Amino acid sequence: AQSVTQLDSQVPVFEEAPVELRCNYSSSVSVYLFWYVQYPNQGLQLLLKYLSGSTLVKGINGFEAEFNKSQTSFHLRKPSVHISDTAEYFCAVSVDDNDMRFGAGTRLTVKP
Amino acid sequence: EAEVAQSPRYKITEKSQAVAFWCDPISGHATLYWYRQILGQGPELLVQFQDESVVDDSQLPKDRFSAERLKGVDSTLKIQPAELGDSAMYLCASSQSHEQYFGPGTRLTVT
Repeated sequence: AQSVTQLDSQVPVFEEAPVELRCNYSSSVSVYLFWYVQYPNQGLQLLLKYLSGSTLVKGINGFEAEFNKSQTSFHLRKPSVHISDTAEYFCAVSVDDNDMRFGAGTRLTVKP
Repeated sequence: EAEVAQSPRYKITEKSQAVAFWCDPISGHATLYWYRQILGQGPELLVQFQDESVVDDSQLPKDRFSAERLKGVDSTLKIQPAELGDSAMYLCASSQSHEQYFGPGTRLTVT
């Protein structure tokens, strides 16, 4: 079965600095990849998704991610973060609609 | 904008009591999921429905958890009896075009 590893449990960064949240996946077949954001005591909101096509995916709130098949990675990036980006970020992988697996999450803290 | 609805948002119950959560997916979404998210971890699938049928409940602790979606629309997840280890966020999601839309969740605290 597919699995996801988020390499950093916590990422502190100063406001307006760039950030990268790392995600690696494992699967023997083609996958769909997702990044979700979760604010305290709320559900998950989709930031972006890779289904096929261009490996560079742009999402909401200025985030983007690049699918790298050879390195089995799907890292999330933002060139300049804001205080409001402080949240938990989850990478997820699915083979089809029947089996989505989530990583353990990365806590992004943006400091003034 | 259509959203997944869940209630209650917060629930405190004593161990050995019964508790139930409700979810109303986005209209027209045939697939519905219940996840459990323990603090500090990612969501884990408990059960998946396609219309009114269970597609996957392999991770549902069936001795105490049950889920139903009788008319293929809204769904109820029940725990009886609740245990201290059941304290978690319970998330409902519905999907379309490979994308899952999540509700706000129910935060359960078992005392």
